[in-house]
Amino acid sequence: SQQGEEDPQALSIQEGENATMNCSYKTSINNLQWYRQNSGRGLVHLILIRSNEREKHSGRLRVTLDTSKKSSSLLITASRAADTASYFCATDDAGGTSYGKLTFGQGTILTVHP
Amino acid sequence: DGGITQSPKYLFRKEGQNVTLSCEQNLNHDAMYWYRQDPGQGLRLIYYSQIVNDFQKGDIAEGYSVSREKKESFPLTVTSAQKNPTAFYLCASSPRDRARNQPQHFGDGTRLSIL
Repeated sequence: SQQGEEDPQALSIQEGENATMNCSYKTSINNLQWYRQNSGRGLVHLILIRSNEREKHSGRLRVTLDTSKKSSSLLITASRAADTASYFCATDDAGGTSYGKLTFGQGTILTVHP
Repeated sequence: DGGITQSPKYLFRKEGQNVTLSCEQNLNHDAMYWYRQDPGQGLRLIYYSQIVNDFQKGDIAEGYSVSREKKESFPLTVTSAQKNPTAFYLCASSPRDRARNQPQHFGDGTRLSIL
């Protein structure tokens, strides 16, 4: 079963606007990761946030994590047409011995119009 | 440059046929993974391997088989027992790290269809 639920399923914005995507999960996690997928391609890792971190930045990306609400958000600021892609959250669940085994959400399709 | 190579990019399977998808990495990663992605869906884990000569079933292993004879290679066989094999298959790898805070690196996928 999918650990992460993403919201919205699809997001359409104009260039220059900010895009926010949300991810909720059910069990305790070791870390949460965000990935990007261009159409017909593999996934590219964007950012990893550990369970003891609350916020992380990378360029135009800002990720927050609220472990009490079991949720995370990805903010892309000043979006560009090249940001058009699907974005997935993935959780590395705490406990067990399966190092690095991730559970992916359904993804958010982002379309940025020029 | 280091990376993950999946081949072929497109593959067609006939009824009753087994097909094998190739995945090779030169990142010196211990762990490798196979995922299935259906249209508009997230990734579901088929099999994963944390070390050579060892692998574990993921969430949807039925109808699939793998081997891990070399660190660099993790081929996936889609058997005739998999009745709905049409999907996009993605291979990934990561370091096997006790800290467990490592991202996965992905290949560009193989799209499998039924003839």
